[in-house]
Formats: sequence, structure tokens, C-alpha cells
Amino acid sequence: QPVLTQPPSASASLGASVTLTCTLSSGYNNYKVDWYQQSPGKGPRFMMRVGTGGIVGFKGDGIPDRFSVWGSGLNRYLIINNIQEEDEGEYYCGADHGGVPNFVAVFGAGTKVTVL
Amino acid sequence: QVQLVESGGGVVQPGGSLTLSCTVSGFPFTTYAMYWVRQAPGKGLEWVATISNHGVNRYYGDTVRGRFAVSRDDSKNTLYLHMNSLKSDDTAVYYCARATRDTSGFYCDSWGQGTLVTVSS
Repeated sequence: QPVLTQPPSASASLGASVTLTCTLSSGYNNYKVDWYQQSPGKGPRFMMRVGTGGIVGFKGDGIPDRFSVWGSGLNRYLIINNIQEEDEGEYYCGADHGGVPNFVAVFGAGTKVTVL
Repeated sequence: QVQLVESGGGVVQPGGSLTLSCTVSGFPFTTYAMYWVRQAPGKGLEWVATISNHGVNRYYGDTVRGRFAVSRDDSKNTLYLHMNSLKSDDTAVYYCARATRDTSGFYCDSWGQGTLVTVSS
């Protein structure tokens, strides 16, 4: 099953840009991952799915245009442009693997985003 | 609108049992797979279990397999997580999530607010 690796923290000044990275383990180049946002004290929120060609499908409900994604090789990126205070929180990537009877779902450890 | 509401959390002794519920509304429950995902205090997300639409297939994370069981009652629009032989490591907020499937697999597009389970003597 894939392992998803995320740096523990990232920061950017208000109005600047930041790129979050989710790295798939070797051999999973063609996998797509899902990005989730978790604001302090709240449940996760689906943002969008990303493959090597960029976004797959549609953004989650209410996700602003300043959020975008890209993928290359084993890396899947979430880009936040013009970062706002409400963007602070934890960001997780997730993926699933296999099917009947060996389905498994995995999450990265999360990246905590701070707006300076 | 889509709503998922978890309930049933609380304090339970090690070795005890607890059943969580997730009641949904605003979408055709029978047509969706469902996830349980948990988050220990100060930690990240951990996948717990998935049940397919109509409950035909059920899958579990390694840390809960054999102790937890996921089920659903489509007539009540309710998802369940039956937890047995609870350990202190099971202390977490438990979220239910709706799983939408496309050609790339599942993604959890709607989540509940979570219910806290504390395993302690």
C-alpha cells in the first residue's frame, strides 16, 4: 500500500503563497491523492483530488479559487495563493489502494499551516 | 443539505465495548459507501473502516481489525461502529464520512463533526 509523506509544517505571510507537498512512496507514480483541510476544532473538509495532470474532478463545496493543485512524479502539491487567516489549520492528503478483498485507505501525517 | 451526525461517544474502561452511530440526511444513503476515520488527541487522521453501499463489503485498518465491526441500517439512514476490547490507544475523535467513488477510487466528500471516545479506567 502507498505511504504518504508530508512535511510537518509550513508558513506564509498574509497574502503570500505557499505550496504543500504530499509524496507517494516509490512505485505509486500513477496514484491520485485527495487533499483535506482541517481548521482548528473542526472536522476535515474535502478540497480536491490531484493526479499528475492536475485536478481530477471538481473542488469540494465552497473551496475558493486561491486553492489549486498539481502533480509531478511521486509528488502531489496543494498551492495556496493569497493566503488568508482562515486558511490556517492542518492539511492532510489521503489515498486508497486495492479493492475487494484488500481495500485499504491511508492518510499522510498532515502539514500544519501558519499564516504569519 | 448533506448532514452527518455522530453519536455514542463517551468514557469506557479498557476492555469494554461501545457502539457509535452516524445518522445521515440530505442524500440517498443506500447508494454511498461510508468511512469511519479517527483522530487521537493532537494526532493526525487514521482510517478505521469502510463499508460499501448495501453493506456487501467491509474493510478495516490493521489496528482495529478483529475488534471493531462496521455496519449500516439503510432503513434508518444510520451507520454504526461496534467497538470491542477497547484499549487506551483507541481514545480519539471518531468521524463518519460519505465516500464518493469515481474511476480513481473513493474520496470522502462530506464529514460529520465527530464524537469523542475516551478509554480510561
